[in-house]
Amino acid sequence: EAGVAQSPRYKIIEKRQSVAFWCNPISGHATLYWYQQILGQGPKLLIQFQNNGVVDDSQLPKDRFSAERLKGVDSTLKIQPAKLEDSAVYLCASSLRWGEAFFGQGTRLTVV
Amino acid sequence: AQTVTQSQPEMSVQEAETVTLSCTYDTSENNYYLFWYKQPPSRQMILVIRQEAYKQQNATENRFSVNFQKAAKSFSLKISDSQLGDTAMYFCAFMKHSGNTPLVFGKGTRLSVIA
Repeated sequence: EAGVAQSPRYKIIEKRQSVAFWCNPISGHATLYWYQQILGQGPKLLIQFQNNGVVDDSQLPKDRFSAERLKGVDSTLKIQPAKLEDSAVYLCASSLRWGEAFFGQGTRLTVV
Repeated sequence: AQTVTQSQPEMSVQEAETVTLSCTYDTSENNYYLFWYKQPPSRQMILVIRQEAYKQQNATENRFSVNFQKAAKSFSLKISDSQLGDTAMYFCAFMKHSGNTPLVFGKGTRLSVIA
């Protein structure tokens, strides 16, 4: 069974530029999460999808971050414009049922 | 809101020895899941072990076992016969049992296994 796929693995951009991350969850997993992990901290939820609907985006900075999940499968997370404090690892996870979550390898974003 | 606390930022252990990582949490929920995830330098979160709160028996997975104390809201991870490949960040995480809710993570413990 293929795992959660994320791309790119690394991205370096200048502040005020835009960037997008892509996630392909495990086939059949209805729930998809995006987490932000700042260096030295645990992951923090940005947004949760159930199929193509948003369940929780209370911690998503909506003035600069946006996310979508087309057709309930792949998802993209966008930052526009990026700030220095957005430098972090962005993790995507998916789950089929309660009590589990499978993670991708993440994208390391550096904003300079 | 649920919170997860890991009070040990860094730990080290000799190869083949045993080490215990601590985790406490705060919740008003009665049914929930607790997890330990391992994050090596590759960054991918790997599930180490899972405990369901309604189960009194402590979960075990090969060299990994937990000490789950529900009343004390404590969930420690014991790694026996430590191996060099166990070197990683370890995160304790909480998930409510009701609804498809997200994981809430602690800040992590960096474990180094020394040859």
